[in-house]
Amino acid sequence: DAKTTQPPSMDCAEGRAANLPCNHSTISGNEYVYWYRQIHSQGPQYIIHGLKNNETNEMASLIITEDRKSSTLILPHATLRDTAVYYCIVRVGGNQFYFGTGTSLTVIP
Amino acid sequence: EAQVTQNPRYLITVTGKKLTVTCSQNMNHEYMSWYRQDPGLGLRQIYYSMNVEVTDKGDVPEGYKVSRKEKRNFPLILESPSPNQTSLYFCASSSPIGIFSGANVLTFGAGSRLTVL
Repeated sequence: DAKTTQPPSMDCAEGRAANLPCNHSTISGNEYVYWYRQIHSQGPQYIIHGLKNNETNEMASLIITEDRKSSTLILPHATLRDTAVYYCIVRVGGNQFYFGTGTSLTVIP
Repeated sequence: EAQVTQNPRYLITVTGKKLTVTCSQNMNHEYMSWYRQDPGLGLRQIYYSMNVEVTDKGDVPEGYKVSRKEKRNFPLILESPSPNQTSLYFCASSSPIGIFSGANVLTFGAGSRLTVL
């Protein structure tokens, strides 16, 4: 019973928008969706989170569907430094966070 | 600087030799958690703690112990390490942010790479 489902890998041309999808069809009404990224084997880094409305910060935008069963992280102008594994995360069972295996994004020069 | 500090960063040990990986945060966070990361399996939660003296099992607690005697520290204890505990370990902490009390942004440590021979 997967909590989140993401494509294992994606490529994106440098300077173009990277759109990373995530399915979280079992999400409950009061759970947030969080996005993190991990560069090499460093500690995961927070990017953005949302509940119902679309969100934007200096790093990315988050689009959440109306039924909240899926979301898309958008990196508007991908750079080589955005090459990383991106995790879509939901909180389950109170205070556990389900990470899944993420999407490995490669930004191509 | 707000951070989560793990030690040691790298450790090679032998089967059965007790070890402790320390984790300390300077952000006064109530919530702390340990994860292990293995190839192809993503991050899996080992234990978490809601506050001092309050701990609970995650998805893969077997072979591990934790304690939370102080708010800032959350050590991970391997009483009798085995080779299947060879992994990359991360500690994380959080407190609710903003006016949405249900949101928890995790701050991660740099990781501890453990090899058990």
